[in-house]
Amino acid sequence: GENVEQHPSTLSVQEGDSAVIKCTYSDSASNYFPWYKQELGKRPQLIIDIRSNVGEKKDQRIAVTLNKTAKHFSLHITETQPEDSAVYFCAASGYALNFGKGTSLLVTP
Amino acid sequence: EAQVTQNPRYLITVTGKKLTVTCSQNMNHEYMSWYRQDPGLGLRQIYYSMNVEVTDKGDVPEGYKVSRKEKRNFPLILESPSPNQTSLYFCASSPGTDYNSPLHFGNGTRLTVT
Repeated sequence: GENVEQHPSTLSVQEGDSAVIKCTYSDSASNYFPWYKQELGKRPQLIIDIRSNVGEKKDQRIAVTLNKTAKHFSLHITETQPEDSAVYFCAASGYALNFGKGTSLLVTP
Repeated sequence: EAQVTQNPRYLITVTGKKLTVTCSQNMNHEYMSWYRQDPGLGLRQIYYSMNVEVTDKGDVPEGYKVSRKEKRNFPLILESPSPNQTSLYFCASSPGTDYNSPLHFGNGTRLTVT
């Protein structure tokens, strides 16, 4: 089945810096790539998603880029704030929806 | 309010004692799914359902059962729980009939099996 690799597993940045999380997938038929944010003790919530016919999507401080040829996609958070601290999961959907193992992001003031 | 409701939030039980975790959604979603979350392993799918009376195995179905007798409900059944099923469980739903729509997660059920 689909294998989704996510890096790094932990990321620490200073407030105001940018954060980048990268994911790779194996199934070339994958066509939907969501990102979920999970704050401590809470449920995962969708923050942004992209489909295979689009190369980049932006929503305020968050952007996602997709490279279908290389089979990787990335989450970019600019001007990070302490409330961005959370675990972020990428996922790739084709035959099934498979999640990466998560990145724990810590934004220090 | 549109939501996915799971019950209970916390459950401590003993090995072998059957239990059911309920999941209900009020958004008329077609697709529902169960995940377990373990440290370092991310979210792994247990079972999913694309419509009423249609269920399929996910990546880690062993030891679990589900049913989808009506659209809104998708209970997770552990017939004979074992300690390796100690985990955080999430139910989720989405409006599509496949994997290509955003998932709405419930608040989770933390299960401990002793």
